Amino acid sequence: EVQLLESGGGLVQPGGSLRVSCVASGFTFSSRTMSWVRQAPGKGLEWVAGISGSGETPHYADSVKGRFTISRDNSKNALYLQMSSLRAEDTAVYFCAKRLGLDTSSYYFAFDVWGHGTMVTVSS
Amino acid sequence: QSALTQPASVSGSPGQSISIPCTGTSSDVGAYDYVSWYQQHPGKAPKMIFFDVNNRPSAFSNRFSASKSGNTASLTISGLQAEDESVYYCSSYTTSSTWVFGGGTMVTVL
Repeated sequence: EVQLLESGGGLVQPGGSLRVSCVASGFTFSSRTMSWVRQAPGKGLEWVAGISGSGETPHYADSVKGRFTISRDNSKNALYLQMSSLRAEDTAVYFCAKRLGLDTSSYYFAFDVWGHGTMVTVSS
Repeated sequence: QSALTQPASVSGSPGQSISIPCTGTSSDVGAYDYVSWYQQHPGKAPKMIFFDVNNRPSAFSNRFSASKSGNTASLTISGLQAEDESVYYCSSYTTSSTWVFGGGTMVTVL
């Protein structure tokens, strides 16, 4: 069974840092682009960052560029999001999501598997 | 990286058909056939219901259909049922190698 399990959320003060993690199972992790998508309380989905299977090509939303770093450890089937200079508006559930298609595919640009999410609260 | 535009809410009676438009730009929806749709129930993770514009996972209901024309994609639900009440999001891959989501549409069955 394909699964994603996030962890590491919690309460952090404004300006602080936090790292959230996602462990994957049931598929060839190193062949898939992975993303972080967040959802503020009562709000919609916002794509935050994505990284190719090799880890060589990260991309970020403008709202987090320069503050967040996405990375992965394919030997551990793990995805990470290092968040720094956190703001109140970063408060959200952070979902880990798997791209449907292989990195070599010219199709299937969608997220077919999602974790349950981990809550990050930025507050003093 | 502006969000795609969706109506905040759409409603219909049981058995009716409704459509949800999703408007983007030539840098996202209009650039590729990489529009996807997600259904999200309260407190749950989103569930993919369409990928690459109009491809539906086999396990999902065929009362749902999707399409795209220019910079606008659409999700249509036919034969509306109470179980279809949910929030629906569109998403598109972009020319910047990022993704963008719509603001979400709450579907209510009257």
